[in-house]
Amino acid sequence: QKEVEQNSGPLSVPEGAIASLNCTYSDRVSQSFFWYRQYSGKSPELIMSIYSNGDKEDGRFTAQLNKASQYVSLLIRDSQPSDSATYLCAVNIGTSYDKVIFGPGTSLSVIP
Amino acid sequence: EAGVTQFPSHSVIEKGQTVTLRCDPISGHDNLYWYRRVMGKEIKFLLHFVKESKQDESGMPNNRFLAERTGGTYSTLKVQPAELEDSGVYFCASSQRSGVFLNEQFFGPGTRLTVL
Repeated sequence: QKEVEQNSGPLSVPEGAIASLNCTYSDRVSQSFFWYRQYSGKSPELIMSIYSNGDKEDGRFTAQLNKASQYVSLLIRDSQPSDSATYLCAVNIGTSYDKVIFGPGTSLSVIP
Repeated sequence: EAGVTQFPSHSVIEKGQTVTLRCDPISGHDNLYWYRRVMGKEIKFLLHFVKESKQDESGMPNNRFLAERTGGTYSTLKVQPAELEDSGVYFCASSQRSGVFLNEQFFGPGTRLTVL
């Protein structure tokens, strides 16, 4: 079983809609979760981080964490064409807060 | 504030040659990480420096890879001799604190290494 799993996509949503990106992880003791956005040929850009169960909102982005289900998601409200990118889920490994595992990423396409 | 910088942006070498990649972290960040993404695979952790000390090098593929961070500022990653499977994008990241929740790591633009 892969340690961090994401749907590879591509996920296509119309402009203005809500994009929902999902991530599951295998290590029950993981505590820190991150969402990175990566445009083609560019570096991963940190957009959200979360460690408490529940929702965390930042502008149009909401991260949702459910440790019991080992599931973390990212919602993008009012999606814009500029949100078209690959979204990477990253999870810390075990009790180390420094070492993270990345998922394969989900490609999002926002259609004007 | 300047972000993480990496040099070169792209390197093309022949199998058996040596290549040295450089990373300059965000000023004031004691923690520096190297990651690698090979074609079609996930980004993989290579190692972690805290200042000049190697905190975790469990992700280094083999002894052809040598990372240094003399003085605790910039870091170099040397591949000697390079093999075809070393091709990929090498990312450097830095963070301000380690060993804490939400150790947020900020990535550089990466070095694309092509071994022919």
